Amino acid sequence: DQQVKQNSPSLSVQEGRISILNCDYTNSMFDYFLWYKKYPAEGPTFLISISSIKDKNEDGRFTVFLNKSAKHLSLHIVPSQPGDSAVYFCAARPRGGKLIFGQGTELSVKP
Amino acid sequence: EAQVTQNPRYLITVTGKKLTVTCSQNMNHEYMSWYRQDPGLGLRQIYYSMNVEVTDKGDVPEGYKVSRKEKRNFPLILESPSPNQTSLYFCASSPERTSLSHNEQFFGPGTRLTVL
Repeated sequence: DQQVKQNSPSLSVQEGRISILNCDYTNSMFDYFLWYKKYPAEGPTFLISISSIKDKNEDGRFTVFLNKSAKHLSLHIVPSQPGDSAVYFCAARPRGGKLIFGQGTELSVKP
Repeated sequence: EAQVTQNPRYLITVTGKKLTVTCSQNMNHEYMSWYRQDPGLGLRQIYYSMNVEVTDKGDVPEGYKVSRKEKRNFPLILESPSPNQTSLYFCASSPERTSLSHNEQFFGPGTRLTVL
């Protein structure tokens, strides 16, 4: 069973606009959530994270929102830039447990 | 430079021919793991190791072996590769798994394996 789901395999956004990447989870024991970014021919790199005790974390152009009641996580990128084009993975872990990844969403930011 | 390295980056082989993908990290991390990435399935954990001589199965361990004789190295062994092991493989490391939830994992650049 897929405990972390990214239902949109791809997303296309115009440069300068907002990109919203979504992630749903089923396990209420998850206590930490992370987003990774992956460029072609490279490994994933950590982007931003949020603890389950918070509902928002911001880092420059990137903001992650957590809605625990809906078991939903989203990553907002504002403004989007062509260099943001990559595959984005959300991931979650229960306390003391292992990281579980979603399927990934490929973001394309068009100039 | 702090990094995780993998070799080879690309490999084409035939069914049944044993192969090893090496992984090395220079950050003195206790925790290391192997993932495979497949379309529509994301990253799935194959094996992990919490420290030297301690390894355990992940979600998809069948057909793979690992060893952790030294802290820095965590090779992935395919004793008899099959076409369904054609995938993109990533090694990752982190300072520790359990006590600090916010520790992110550092990933290697990936190994593209094709088994004919």
